[in-house]
Amino acid sequence: SQQGEEDPQALSIQEGENATMNCSYKTSINNLQWYRQNSGRGLVHLILIRSNEREKHSGRLRVTLDTSKKSSSLLITASRAADTASYFCATKTQGGSEKLVFGKGTKLTVNP
Amino acid sequence: EAQVTQNPRYLITVTGKKLTVTCSQNMNHEYMSWYRQDPGLGLRQIYYSMNVEVTDKGDVPEGYKVSRKEKRNFPLILESPSPNQTSLYFCASSPRRYRGLSYEQYFGPGTRLTVT
Repeated sequence: SQQGEEDPQALSIQEGENATMNCSYKTSINNLQWYRQNSGRGLVHLILIRSNEREKHSGRLRVTLDTSKKSSSLLITASRAADTASYFCATKTQGGSEKLVFGKGTKLTVNP
Repeated sequence: EAQVTQNPRYLITVTGKKLTVTCSQNMNHEYMSWYRQDPGLGLRQIYYSMNVEVTDKGDVPEGYKVSRKEKRNFPLILESPSPNQTSLYFCASSPRRYRGLSYEQYFGPGTRLTVT
């Protein structure tokens, strides 16, 4: 079953602009993670935010988490053509399982 | 270099011919998992393993088997592949949670399987 749902499904912007992607989920989480996937390649972990954190930064990435709304956002600032990829949120639910549940992803295109 | 490796990277096979996709990690991770990725469906978990000799079903385990005899290896076995198992498969690993905190997963490069 899908836990995280990204929005929008696709996003096209110009180089230098900011890109914002959103993720909503349904149940209580231990943490939420964002991954990037270049076409047909493996997923690469970007950032992990724990349920007791509200905001986290990593380079040009900024992630927020609102557990009351069960939502998260990923902001990529000053985008580059190399940021073109699909972005997935994944949630780790509370409890003993290490299971990660992925959303269907946002396909980001950054035009030079 | 710390990594998760999968073999083969590409495989075309016929219905019913048993196959194994290998997965190996060199990071001494306890947790390993298999996912399949299909257009419009995202990533779905097939099986996972919390440690050696401990495996459990994910969301879509039908038609697959796994084993975890060694910590570093987690092969995915398709005893009798069918066309609906045509997909892109990913193996992933992660350290075991510590004090209730879980960590990110490291993914292999993927295996593109076509069953005709």
